[in-house]
Amino acid sequence: DVKVTQSSRYLVKRTGEKVFLECVQDMDHENMFWYRQDPGLGLRLIYFSYDVKMKEKGDIPEGYSVSREKKERFSLILESASTNQTSMYLCASSVNSPLHFGNGTRLTVT
Amino acid sequence: KQEVTQIPAALSVPEGENLVLNCSFTDSAIYNLQWFRQDPGKGLTSLLLIQSSQREQTSGRLNASLDKSSGRSTLYIAASQPGDSATYLCAVRRLGGGATNKLIFGTGTLLAVQP
Repeated sequence: DVKVTQSSRYLVKRTGEKVFLECVQDMDHENMFWYRQDPGLGLRLIYFSYDVKMKEKGDIPEGYSVSREKKERFSLILESASTNQTSMYLCASSVNSPLHFGNGTRLTVT
Repeated sequence: KQEVTQIPAALSVPEGENLVLNCSFTDSAIYNLQWFRQDPGKGLTSLLLIQSSQREQTSGRLNASLDKSSGRSTLYIAASQPGDSATYLCAVRRLGGGATNKLIFGTGTLLAVQP
C-alpha cells in the first residue's frame, strides 16, 4: 500500500513565523501535491511537483512556496504565516491515477 | 473553467438503506473521475476511479457510474452501515496537462448512517 506521511497532525504557529510542512511518500511517485481544505471551499490546489526540483503553481499559491529536493519529499513553506492560512493542509502523491493522500496537518496561526 | 458540485451537502439515512450520492461537473472533457471518502480530521481515501471511457466501477457495496455527456457521476452505496458515515468527495481530472494529474474537487456530501 502507498503510504503518504505528513510529519505533523497539528501545528500552532504565530503570525509572521516561517512554517514548514513536510510530506514523504514511499512509492517512488513522480507527482506530489499540496492542497488546503476549508469549510465551504473544498480542496484547493496550492502547488504541485512532477519531478525533483520541478514545481508548478496551483490555484492558490500566494503566500506559499515549495521545495522538492528528493523524489520522496515535498515540503510546503509559509514564508510569513498569517491568520488566513489557518487550515487543514493535505499532501498527496501519484504516478498517474489515483491520488493517494496523507492524513493531513491542521495548522492554526494565531 | 471546470466546476464540480455535490448535492446534497449532507444526508442522513437509517442503517440498511441503499443510497445514492451525486456529483456534477460542467466540462465533459475529463480524463477520469475519482470518488474519495474522508473521515473527520483525516485525509482522503480513494474509493473508486472511473476512466472517461468507462461507464461504471464497482468495489464491494459501492458502485460508481459516469455519464460524461450529461456531466454526472453517482456513487451508489448498498445496505448502508454506521461505519459508512463520512464525507464523500468526487474529483475530476482534466484532459491535457500532461502527467500533472490536477484534480478539481467537489465540496463533498456529509453522510450519516443512523443505527
